[in-house]
Amino acid sequence: DAKTTQPPSMDCAEGRAANLPCNHSTISGNEYVYWYRQIHSQGPQYIIHGLKNNETNEMASLIITEDRKSSTLILPHATLRDTAVYYCIVTSSGSARQLTFGSGTQLTVLP
Amino acid sequence: DGGITQSPKYLFRKEGQNVTLSCEQNLNHDAMYWYRQDPGQGLRLIYYSQIVNDFQKGDIAEGYSVSREKKESFPLTVTSAQKNPTAFYLCASRPLGTSGAHEQFFGPGTRLTVL
Repeated sequence: DAKTTQPPSMDCAEGRAANLPCNHSTISGNEYVYWYRQIHSQGPQYIIHGLKNNETNEMASLIITEDRKSSTLILPHATLRDTAVYYCIVTSSGSARQLTFGSGTQLTVLP
Repeated sequence: DGGITQSPKYLFRKEGQNVTLSCEQNLNHDAMYWYRQDPGQGLRLIYYSQIVNDFQKGDIAEGYSVSREKKESFPLTVTSAQKNPTAFYLCASRPLGTSGAHEQFFGPGTRLTVL
């Protein structure tokens, strides 16, 4: 699985958009980009995933660059409950193995 | 409701004792996983299983054992050989398919403290 690089921490004002970047320059053609988040002392929660195209669901939007070497998770209107560690993970769809979690980005939403 | 349950939420054991952590899922998922998380760190894979009666070691399997006798159950035993067992343990499951992407679903975790 490709390795990912994320900033260790970010702050965001409540009600504003939170944009979390992720670099995955060694991603291969069959690898998806997944985003999870983990609120303190809970299990990680799936947010969104994508292959090439931008994706949107009720939680977030995922923007993947044309060369697929980086992506951005967008929380359009951050709330205090969005404070969590956000993990960007790249893995192939056919892999039954694990998702490789790095250290992620600690997002703190400020009132 | 469908989901993954882990019990207990908090577990205390004396050093040198084996302890078994429970993980049950009613999502009919084929694959199940055990992760360990230390403070301020990401998740590290201990074991995973794709099918009943079969499992594979992850990155940090030493000192742990698992079984997969039923599709819905994947218990983890932390043995006395695990040198530093105090950690947060997370179980996950995932459907396996021939196409598309499938996310993992996580349980609430068990926090094990060895005294």
